[in-house]
Amino acid sequence: GENVEQHPSTLSVQEGDSAVIKCTYSDSASNYFPWYKQELGKRPQLIIDIRSNVGEKKDQRIAVTLNKTAKHFSLHITETQPEDSAVYFCAASNAPPYNTDKLIFGTGTRLQVFP
Amino acid sequence: DTAVSQTPKYLVTQMGNDKSIKCEQNLGHDTMYWYKQDSKKFLKIMFSYNNKELIINETVPNRFSPKSPDKAHLNLHINSLELGDSAVYFCASSPGDRVNIQYFGAGTRLSVL
Repeated sequence: GENVEQHPSTLSVQEGDSAVIKCTYSDSASNYFPWYKQELGKRPQLIIDIRSNVGEKKDQRIAVTLNKTAKHFSLHITETQPEDSAVYFCAASNAPPYNTDKLIFGTGTRLQVFP
Repeated sequence: DTAVSQTPKYLVTQMGNDKSIKCEQNLGHDTMYWYKQDSKKFLKIMFSYNNKELIINETVPNRFSPKSPDKAHLNLHINSLELGDSAVYFCASSPGDRVNIQYFGAGTRLSVL
């Protein structure tokens, strides 16, 4: 089955710096890669996702890149702010058929942004 | 107007008891899930239902029994609770039509004493 590894487990940056979180997956059939942000005591919330037919996707200060050959995908946060502090999870899944849609999550990265 | 709602938010109980967690979504989604998040924050899928039909059943003890009375509800019943069941349980839903985005409930923190 699919296995998703995520690094680093903790990441501390100064406000304004960039943060990069990396994930690798094992199942070459995976074609959907979301990133979730979980603030302390809150629910995981989708912040960005990418499908396998795309190499990069950007949304304001966050971007995700995908290298299908190497089975790597990464989250990039630029100009970090204290409110970016949270645990970030990557995940991988097969898309259709929808009834085998299972998200396999990475182990999470605790990002701390210091003012 | 909460999209995915779970009750209760907190559940403290003794070992050996039976308890249920309820989940409801008002998004009209076809697929619902239960996840377990342990103390190390690992998020692991337990079950998935599509339109009341069980489609994913991971290696979960059979003390855990999901029930979906209709596609808007997916409840989780746990028998004979054990200390290791202490975790945060998240319900989620997704449209299920090739759109994988999953929307999570606020979680239920279960503490077994």
